[in-house]
Formats: sequence, structure tokens, C-alpha cells
Amino acid sequence: GAVVSQHPSWVICKSGTSVKIECRSLDFQATTMFWYRQFPKKSLMLMATSNEGSKATYEQGVEKDKFLINHASLTLSTLTVTSAHPEDSSFYICSAPTGGDYGYTFGSGTRLTVV
Amino acid sequence: AQSVSQHNHHVILSEAASLELGCNYSYGGTVNLFWYVQYPGQHLQLLLKYFSGDPLVKGIKGFEAEFIKSKFSFNLRKPSVQWSDTAEYFCAVNVWAAGNKLTFGGGTRVLVKP
Repeated sequence: GAVVSQHPSWVICKSGTSVKIECRSLDFQATTMFWYRQFPKKSLMLMATSNEGSKATYEQGVEKDKFLINHASLTLSTLTVTSAHPEDSSFYICSAPTGGDYGYTFGSGTRLTVV
Repeated sequence: AQSVSQHNHHVILSEAASLELGCNYSYGGTVNLFWYVQYPGQHLQLLLKYFSGDPLVKGIKGFEAEFIKSKFSFNLRKPSVQWSDTAEYFCAVNVWAAGNKLTFGGGTRVLVKP
């Protein structure tokens, strides 16, 4: 089935630095990628939708300049957390619609800890 | 905007007990409905989905869900749980008119005692 590979699985960074998270579709073309954030013991909150070749669409309340999303090709979407702060520590998950029997496929997530 | 409500935040039950998790959504148009499971330390896995047809949907690991359009509900059931069903369960809805994005419910944490 369709697989989305997400890297890194976990990352620790210092406040003020930037972190890039990558999601690659391995055996299908992902024209759209959804980026979610999951707080501890909470549900997934959609942050933004990236579309290959166009600007990402951000959900209300999500800072565009802080969470930079790029969808450079049909198999790669990236989320860069810029000038990270401890409150950005969270679990970030990407997901791509695959259609067919699966509907959506999810990356394995990235646990970001900002110290 | 659509919303998804899961009524139970935490459920604790013993092995062999029956499980039912509620899910309601707030959109009157055509929807696709999903249940996902997240085992501790793992990523989301699809349990089952409803796109159209028979409103009683059977998924993996003995789970099933029933879509009741008049009640805007898509409740998840399992007749007899096992300790390995301990996980967090998420209901999610995709509204056709809103494109491909999924809206998730708040999740239900299920603990099955051996």
C-alpha cells in the first residue's frame, strides 16, 4: 500500500534554531500533504495543507512565518519550524490522501523537543 | 466548519467486555468517515472507513462501525476486547465539499485490563 516516510522520528533542538521535517511518498505521487500537530493526550490539529507547485494553505491561528511548508515535488513535502521555542515542542505528523481503499496514509510522526 | 465529537475521553474495561465508542459530526452534506487507532508509541493506523454503501462497516481486528446518517453518528464497536486493544482511538471526517482534509475528533483513550 501507499507509504509516507517521515524523518526524523525525533529531534531535540535549542531555542532559536530551525528544524526541518521531511515527508516523502514512497510509492505514489502526493500532490497534497496535510501537516498535523498532536499535543500530549490530545487529538490531531490540522496546521496546513501543502500542494505541489503552489503555496500552502494554513489553518486559522497557525503562523505562516513560523511553520514554513514547502512541497517541492510530487514526492516530497517539508515543514520547517523556524526560530523554535519550547512551546513548539510537540508531535508533528504528515498525511497524504491516497484515494482507493486507504483514503489517507500517515507518516510515523516527528517528536520535536525544543530546549 | 465541520466538527467531530467523541463523547468518551477515557474508557477502562476488562478483557472480553464489549466496547462502543461514540462519534458524531456536524455536517449535513456528503462525508467520508474513518476510525483510526494509535497504539502506544506508534503511528496512526486505519481501522475502518465508510465511503458509501452498506452503513455497517467491518474493519480490522474485529472492529465494526455503523453510519447512521440521521444521527450524524459513526460509532465504533467491538464485541469482545483484548488487552492488546489498549490504545487511543480517533474518529475522523472528510467533507466532500471541503476538499480532502480530515477533521479529527478529540480521541478516546481505551485501557483494557487483563
